[in-house]
Amino acid sequence: GAVVSQHPSWVICKSGTSVKIECRSLDFQATTMFWYRQFPKQSLMLMATSNEGSKATYEQGVEKDKFLINHASLTLSTLTVTSAHPEDSSFYICSARDQGTDTEAFFGQGTRLTVV
Amino acid sequence: AQSVSQHNHHVILSEAASLELGCNYSYGGTVNLFWYVQYPGQHLQLLLKYFSGDPLVKGIKGFEAEFIKSKFSFNLRKPSVQWSDTAEYFCAVRLTGTASKLTFGTGTRLQVTL
Repeated sequence: GAVVSQHPSWVICKSGTSVKIECRSLDFQATTMFWYRQFPKQSLMLMATSNEGSKATYEQGVEKDKFLINHASLTLSTLTVTSAHPEDSSFYICSARDQGTDTEAFFGQGTRLTVV
Repeated sequence: AQSVSQHNHHVILSEAASLELGCNYSYGGTVNLFWYVQYPGQHLQLLLKYFSGDPLVKGIKGFEAEFIKSKFSFNLRKPSVQWSDTAEYFCAVRLTGTASKLTFGTGTRLQVTL
């Protein structure tokens, strides 16, 4: 299947700093990418839909000024957690759909963010 | 709003036992249905999907699922589990269409003992 690469796999940062997470589709083009957050022993909660060349669509309750999403190309979307706080510590996962086939979503390996 | 329910939160089975994990969704439109698996420390992988046609779909690693439209269900089954099936299983639903998002169930943790 298609490959989605997320970087970094894990990151530790200090409170108040910003962290950028990258999501790349390696062998296909993705007009739309999705960003999820997964708390321990819980399901994936969709944060936002990232659209190439336009603004992201955020789910209700997600602060768009805190979680900045940029989808600059058909193979790259970035999520920046701004002014991170310990409560932002979580597992962040991106997914992308191959716009050519659109049969399923492929997931990145996730990024474990720890804010200290 | 659409929702997905997985009633079994934690299932413990012995090797060779049969498995059935429940998944129900609430949405009246045309949907695509998925089961994903997340092995410890790994990313989500697709087990199987249903788009249309035969409601009994077969996936990888001996898994299958049956779509019962009247019951809004898409239960996952495997006749004989293996220790390596220990993982978290997620049911997901999306509306048909390229821009539609996936809605996940809460997940079921399967533990297979030797």
